[in-house]
Order: sequence, then structure tokens, then C-alpha cells
Amino acid sequence: GAGVSQSPSNKVTEKGKDVELRCDPISGHTALYWYRQSLGQGLEFLIYFQGNSAPDKSGLPSDRFSAERTGGSVSTLTIQRTQQEDSAVYLCASSLASGQDVFSNQPQHFGDGTRLSIL
Amino acid sequence: AQKVTQAQTEISVVEKEDVTLDCVYETRDTTYYLFWYKQPPSGELVFLIRRNSFDEQNEISGRYSWNFQKSTSSFNFTITASQVVDSAVYFCALRLDTNAGKSTFGDGTTLTVKP
Repeated sequence: GAGVSQSPSNKVTEKGKDVELRCDPISGHTALYWYRQSLGQGLEFLIYFQGNSAPDKSGLPSDRFSAERTGGSVSTLTIQRTQQEDSAVYLCASSLASGQDVFSNQPQHFGDGTRLSIL
Repeated sequence: AQKVTQAQTEISVVEKEDVTLDCVYETRDTTYYLFWYKQPPSGELVFLIRRNSFDEQNEISGRYSWNFQKSTSSFNFTITASQVVDSAVYFCALRLDTNAGKSTFGDGTTLTVKP
């Protein structure tokens, strides 16, 4: 498809298990972003990638969270030893860069998100 | 530090009413970008508009208009003659040139348009 694709769309798991969330950005988009949206809340920035590198990991809530991106395309967000407070919708977005990797002015295109529920 | 405040948590109007969604931002940077996104009940955020800090010209697109005022650090969004399909959560966001990857979003305003 032409948009940002995220999988799974829903994930229910038991506390303590590891989960892996996948994001497939729009082809050609060099920047990729992960956000977390808790019920009724705004978007909480987690991490972004410029190509395969992550210049800013400051938003990751704890060392149980990690993310990687390979080939400048697909990204995975991994949560280890999940806790109930990790329950949220995890959104991925991608954007173009405009000249010399400038992308602050580029709109982000969002996927439908992965709804994660920790029992 | 950067911050976006959307003071209105929920707004309810009747169809055909005009409604303005407020957005106030904070930053010490001189180059920045402001965005509005719409999140309908289906869940996917959709980009509506971008405005850079050097362009204070207001913009109109159909029933939507945006009023950017640097003097008050505000970037308000008005929907004229609202329709039921406008019901959604609307987010205002700020991005800095100095930290381009990190968008700061407001908490969103839930707009309900009743028939």
C-alpha cells in the first residue's frame, strides 16, 4: 500500500512477556518516528530514525524499550518484560527529508497504530 | 524546552456552527514549524496544515482557516459551518529546526459536531 503500515494492529499479551511491533514506512521516506498514545492522551515521542541511525532516543521510557531500523526502511520497536503501564496505542510515522536531510518542516504520515494491551 | 498547550479538552457544537480550536506554543528557537493533525474515530492521524515561524500569513482552505500570531505564540484553527464529519480529535504540534526529529504534540481537543 501507499501508506505507513503497522503490525500487528492489536496485541494482547501477559505481563512480563516481550513484544515486537513493526512499522513499514512509506517508500522513500528517510525519517521514521515512534510515538505512544495512552487512552485520551496526546502523543508521547519515543524515538526517531534518520536513515538507520537514531539521533534522539530521549523519549524511550526505560531500558526495556528499544528500537531498530534496517535498510532505511522497516523499523521494529521492542518492549521487554512488559508491564501494565505499557498498555497504549503505539504509532509510527514517516516523513520525507527536504535537502540535506532537513525534515523538520515535513509533515508526518501516520500508520493506524498497534493497540497493545498488557494483562 | 518546547511545549504545546491545547487548553480545550472537549468542544461540542451543533452542525453549521463555527468553532475555533486554540493552540499555544512555547519555544525559544526562532526557526520552528507548527502543524495541525486530525485524528478521526478510525484512529489514523491525518496532516492538515504546516506553518513555519517566518510566515505569519493566515491561511484558508475551504471551511478550514488558521490564524498564526507570533506575538501571542498562538496557532488557532477555525472550522466554519461545522459538519458531523469534522468530529475528531485535533492535535497541534511543534517542531524545531534544532531538534527536527522530535515533534511536541498538544494533548488534543476532542471536537464533537452534533446534527
